[in-house]
Amino acid sequence: ETGVTQTPRHLVMGMTNKKSLKCEQHLGHNAMYWYKQSAKKPLELMFVYNFKEQTENNSVPSRFSPECPNSSHLFLHLHTLQPEDSALYLCASSQEYGRGAKDEKLFFGSGTQLSVL
Amino acid sequence: GEDVEQSLFLSVREGDSSVINCTYTDSSSTYLYWYKQEPGAGLQLLTYIFSNMDMKQDQRLTVLLNKKDKHLSLRIADTQTGDSAIYFCAVLGNDMRFGAGTRLTVKP
Repeated sequence: ETGVTQTPRHLVMGMTNKKSLKCEQHLGHNAMYWYKQSAKKPLELMFVYNFKEQTENNSVPSRFSPECPNSSHLFLHLHTLQPEDSALYLCASSQEYGRGAKDEKLFFGSGTQLSVL
Repeated sequence: GEDVEQSLFLSVREGDSSVINCTYTDSSSTYLYWYKQEPGAGLQLLTYIFSNMDMKQDQRLTVLLNKKDKHLSLRIADTQTGDSAIYFCAVLGNDMRFGAGTRLTVKP
């Protein structure tokens, strides 16, 4: 148990569906992240929120829309996805983020395995 | 962008030592991490090293850092079947970069 919980664990959706991924952390951290994990590729950072403010958006298509209502919760809203978006989506948190951070030890959830048909 | 590279696969026999290697390009790196991912789970931090160190030992794990060559390694002594997993190298420089992961298979 890492203190970061993701739901659902598995999600199958059609290209015209709208769904949301949820992440919750119980660690009192100030930064939360969405990563995409595809086989044999480095983890891809998608979004970072630091103190509820979005600080990074790494050229992610607009069909992915993050939401961070408070420091403990993070959502990823999905709509009109493509089959190539099928991957494991990982949420993570850390004490802080950005230049000057002492370190960024990340605590990951178990991920949502997404399949887009 | 800055790269972090790892070989994709490593296979060892139970009881042997495993050495997982990682190279990176970001010369401004401050912290370097090793994460472990077991099937169906997220990444779990195993150990990390600050860039002004060249070695860190933690029980069966030894991390070696050659900052000049930008080379990081993780040695697992007396490898067990429970060590079978994917191991990710991550480097914190201007941002956090991950490698693609090395899948370690431990044969009985």
